[in-house]
Amino acid sequence: KAGVTQTPRYLIKTRGQQVTLSCSPISGHRSVSWYQQTPGQGLQFLFEYFSETQRNKGNFPGRFSGRQFSNSRSEMNVSTLELGDSALYLCASSLASGHNEQFFGPGTRLTVL
Amino acid sequence: AQTVTQSQPEMSVQEAETVTLSCTYDTSENNYYLFWYKQPPSRQMILVIRQEAYKQQNATENRFSVNFQKAAKSFSLKISDSQLGDTAMYFCAFSNSGTYKYIFGTGTRLKVLA
Repeated sequence: KAGVTQTPRYLIKTRGQQVTLSCSPISGHRSVSWYQQTPGQGLQFLFEYFSETQRNKGNFPGRFSGRQFSNSRSEMNVSTLELGDSALYLCASSLASGHNEQFFGPGTRLTVL
Repeated sequence: AQTVTQSQPEMSVQEAETVTLSCTYDTSENNYYLFWYKQPPSRQMILVIRQEAYKQQNATENRFSVNFQKAAKSFSLKISDSQLGDTAMYFCAFSNSGTYKYIFGTGTRLKVLA
């Protein structure tokens, strides 16, 4: 079974631009979560989707948004990029959520100049 | 608010020795799940071990075991017979069933020395 895939793997953007990151979960997994990982901050929860519905959201500004498609693939969008948005963005999928193991993708490394 | 604290940013251990990574959490819930994840250098995060809060017995997975102290809200990870491949960032995580949200600690960078 193929693992969680994320595209692109690396991105370089400038302040003020917007970016869209994509995540394809493991086949059969309906829950997709997004995290921002920065040194010293660990993983910060962005949001979780299940069957195209956002079920929970972390404490991030409205510039961060996401969606999930009927095939469970998910995208997250960051508008008006700031330098502080530079991070590794991780996607994780699971069968459901709350107690299931999460399977992580390799991440997208976003650098904002 | 629910929080997860890992107070050891970095640790090192000699190959074949035993090391314990600490994790404390804060919650008012009674039904929840705790996890340890491992993130090797430049590789994907993988689950090491999982513990259900309603189970008193500590979880074990081969060389990895936990010491779950529910009253103290402590969830430490013990790695026995450390191997070079155990070198990684280790994250403690908490999930409250029904919130669809995992809370991670800031991680402990473990280096196994030859």
